[in-house]
Amino acid sequence: KQEVTQIPAALSVPEGENLVLNCSFTDSAIYNLQWFRQDPGKGLTSLLLIQSSQREQTSGRLNASLDKSSGRSTLYIAASQPGDSATYLCAVGGNTPLVFGKGTRLSVIA
Amino acid sequence: DTAVSQTPKYLVTQMGNDKSIKCEQNLGHDTMYWYKQDSKKFLKIMFSYNNKELIINETVPNRFSPKSPDKAHLNLHINSLELGDSAVYFCASSRSTSGGYNEQFFGPGTRLTVL
Repeated sequence: KQEVTQIPAALSVPEGENLVLNCSFTDSAIYNLQWFRQDPGKGLTSLLLIQSSQREQTSGRLNASLDKSSGRSTLYIAASQPGDSATYLCAVGGNTPLVFGKGTRLSVIA
Repeated sequence: DTAVSQTPKYLVTQMGNDKSIKCEQNLGHDTMYWYKQDSKKFLKIMFSYNNKELIINETVPNRFSPKSPDKAHLNLHINSLELGDSAVYFCASSRSTSGGYNEQFFGPGTRLTVL
């Protein structure tokens, strides 16, 4: 049974810092991995999707990497801004719908 | 031109009542899902429908019954509501593919509070 773990559970950084969020999963037989952002009281916004055959995806200041064999993904956020404050969720898809981690709550302090 | 929409956004009701949450997607996707986010913010799949047929039903009480009148809609009906049903319910959709599950797009969520 797939399990997804995200570390750290919460992170607070000053504005302008680069940061890395970590995600690990137990079953490497995945089809894809998605990173989402969730603002308080809001829905999920898809940030990046990495197919199992890919090693990374980039969108603006965000870069997500995938190492399927070791069961790890990272989300790198460059030059963080207060508007980046949210909960970031990692989810893996395989033969079943997405299995989510519990998220990392990010606070970027101005 | 919202891609995945849900109604209502908030639902407050008494224990024992029956309620429905509606979901619609205009992305032309053929697979739709219901997820539950509990009080600890943990998101978990409840149901998955492909071309109006149920393909996954996780360990969800049979008080929960999804209904898909067409590929663009997947409604969730809940009978005899209990306090523990209080949560945020998310609808999502994706295109199906032979190799697994594609990128999913989520609705804004419905916050259900059972008193």
